[in-house]
Amino acid sequence: TQLLEQSPQFLSIQEGENLTVYCNSSSVFSSLQWYRQEPGEGPVLLVTVVTGGEVKKLKRLTFQFGDARKDSSLHITAAQPGDTGLYLCAGAGSGNTGKLIFGQGTTLQVKP
Amino acid sequence: DADVTQTPRNRITKTGKRIMLECSQTKGHDRMYWYRQDPGLGLRLIYYSFDVKDINKGEISDGYSVSRQAQAKFSLSLESAIPNQTALYFCATSRTGRTDTQYFGPGTRLTVL
Repeated sequence: TQLLEQSPQFLSIQEGENLTVYCNSSSVFSSLQWYRQEPGEGPVLLVTVVTGGEVKKLKRLTFQFGDARKDSSLHITAAQPGDTGLYLCAGAGSGNTGKLIFGQGTTLQVKP
Repeated sequence: DADVTQTPRNRITKTGKRIMLECSQTKGHDRMYWYRQDPGLGLRLIYYSFDVKDINKGEISDGYSVSRQAQAKFSLSLESAIPNQTALYFCATSRTGRTDTQYFGPGTRLTVL
């Protein structure tokens, strides 16, 4: 059974601080996605990383896929209150199964 | 208009009642999914369907059933609701392809008393 361990589960920081969220597994994934979810809404895709070692940037957010495609990280620089929300990583298995394995999620609160 | 819609958005029901949650999509995607979300557990897959004639169990299908009435419609039923089925339920869609990106509806908050 493939599992994704996401850490930390909760993070409360002040505006302007940096943070990193980790997503780890013993399994290899063909791709890994990061979603953000706000209260009362469904998750929305932020980014997909496909290649081992890949780094993608989305404004102040930097996403990295591990070289072995077993882990990923999300780094936010100078967090803003608007970054508050639930962040979910999700891994896709090989073979185009269409199924995603989700991490437990990281609840981020950025205080002004 | 939203691409993936779910009805109802909120529902309170009693133990033993039959409940149906509905999902519709206008994205033209072939694949549809039902998840439940519980605090600290992330999203867990209940059922998924890759086309109208294809239904597959996910990791937590016991106590649930589904129907794919058309490519755009996928409903989830709780035949006899129990309190531990209280959760947030999400429908999602995707198109067959490499990246498996899924698009989620706004969710249904279900409370079973």
